[in-house]
Amino acid sequence: AQKITQTQPGMFVQEKEAVTLDCTYDTSDQSYGLFWYKQPSSGEMIFLIYQGSYDEQNATEGRYSLNFQKARKSANLVISASQLGDSAMYFCAMREGQNTGNQFYFGTGTSLTVIP
Amino acid sequence: GAVVSQHPSWVICKSGTSVKIECRSLDFQATTMFWYRQFPKQSLMLMATSNEGSKATYEQGVEKDKFLINHASLTLSTLTVTSAHPEDSSFYICSARTLIERYNEQFFGPGTRLTVL
Repeated sequence: AQKITQTQPGMFVQEKEAVTLDCTYDTSDQSYGLFWYKQPSSGEMIFLIYQGSYDEQNATEGRYSLNFQKARKSANLVISASQLGDSAMYFCAMREGQNTGNQFYFGTGTSLTVIP
Repeated sequence: GAVVSQHPSWVICKSGTSVKIECRSLDFQATTMFWYRQFPKQSLMLMATSNEGSKATYEQGVEKDKFLINHASLTLSTLTVTSAHPEDSSFYICSARTLIERYNEQFFGPGTRLTVL
């Protein structure tokens, strides 16, 4: 089974609107970390937000928030007030266990296009 | 935040030649570095995990003799693609783990785009 599933290959959003990018995960570990990265056309992977499995509050970082629903094993990324510069690929990732050296499992990504 | 560099950022080579890609952690010590490859419009696929001073751990299906990884210091790991062929053309990205406690994420380099003619 896939560790990380992103079901939206492509998404469009109007500038200044909010958009939700879906991510579900599969693990039997109690301790894990969930991450979102942005990859613009230049190729660099830009860290956006992190949610630990024991964190009770949803993570927020500026215009990014993570809608963490543990029972449903989902970790959706919400981008508020979309900007043209938000157009990029977005990857959800998971690290199992507490060791920060453990490998990441990446989803297939969602291509977000912000329309002026 | 922690900075990871890669060199070169892009390279074009002839089939049969070898190419070395460097991954450096600029402002922190990285005990573990990871090498990924990414084909166009696809996700990152982990190739190997590189630990300083020891042999790299390769993922299933990745040829050890073709993709040589050396992690000789706490700030440098290298990936050498030996006898490169056109099917090796891809985007190669490294990432590094830092022991700084407040950081959970891996820090990624900017990637190297390899084109084999």
